[in-house]
Amino acid sequence: QSVLTQPPSVSGAPGQRVTISCTGSSSNFGVGYAVHWYQQLPGTAPKLLIYSNSNRPSGVPDRFSGSKSGTSASLAITGLQAEDEGDYYCQSYDNNLSGWVFGGGTKLTVL
Amino acid sequence: QVQLQESGPGLVKPSETLSLTCGASGYSISSGYYWGWLRQPAGKGLEWIGSVYHSGTTLYHPSLRSRVSISVDTSKNQFSLKLSSVTAADTAVYYCARHTPIYEYDSIGYASFDIWGRGTLVTVSS
Repeated sequence: QSVLTQPPSVSGAPGQRVTISCTGSSSNFGVGYAVHWYQQLPGTAPKLLIYSNSNRPSGVPDRFSGSKSGTSASLAITGLQAEDEGDYYCQSYDNNLSGWVFGGGTKLTVL
Repeated sequence: QVQLQESGPGLVKPSETLSLTCGASGYSISSGYYWGWLRQPAGKGLEWIGSVYHSGTTLYHPSLRSRVSISVDTSKNQFSLKLSSVTAADTAVYYCARHTPIYEYDSIGYASFDIWGRGTLVTVSS
């Protein structure tokens, strides 16, 4: 069981908006630690998508956005495209574990 | 362009030691950042294993600490992972990655993994 909780799957039609939630606790998000998001397309390594709650690395389209409030965070994808299909992971630091933790991942299906 | 490349045996026998190396190009490990190892069993999520700074400072996942050793060789611009007493549960794709903070004593609570290797599959089987 992951320290950060994500829904196993989400889906949406091309052009639609989807959100992926990530729920933490008082030992990670509640302390104020940042959330980061990764995109893992089939057969590839994870790629940093959003860092420090809401920042996009160079090259990441502005269709991807992130937010965090209290012990919850979310990733929003607008204008859904077929190439967005893959797995998405949230990540933070946890005081109880004294290490970096990931959510269990959410599989995005583009209908 | 910063790139990372994992290398090492793809098959390890149970009870033996898994050894992997990650070579960096396009960036000198001595210039900063932490350098980490993560793994992903087939069809499952990501797990952080441990990280090293070029000074030799190491951080390990508590559940793996007794079996893990990560070292750095700045002369070769590479860092290595050793995981002892492996079992089938250690079968996974192993990734090396660069992560913040850039400076050793900056806060690690806001770290993100910005550069990843392609990953290498390690199977534990006799």
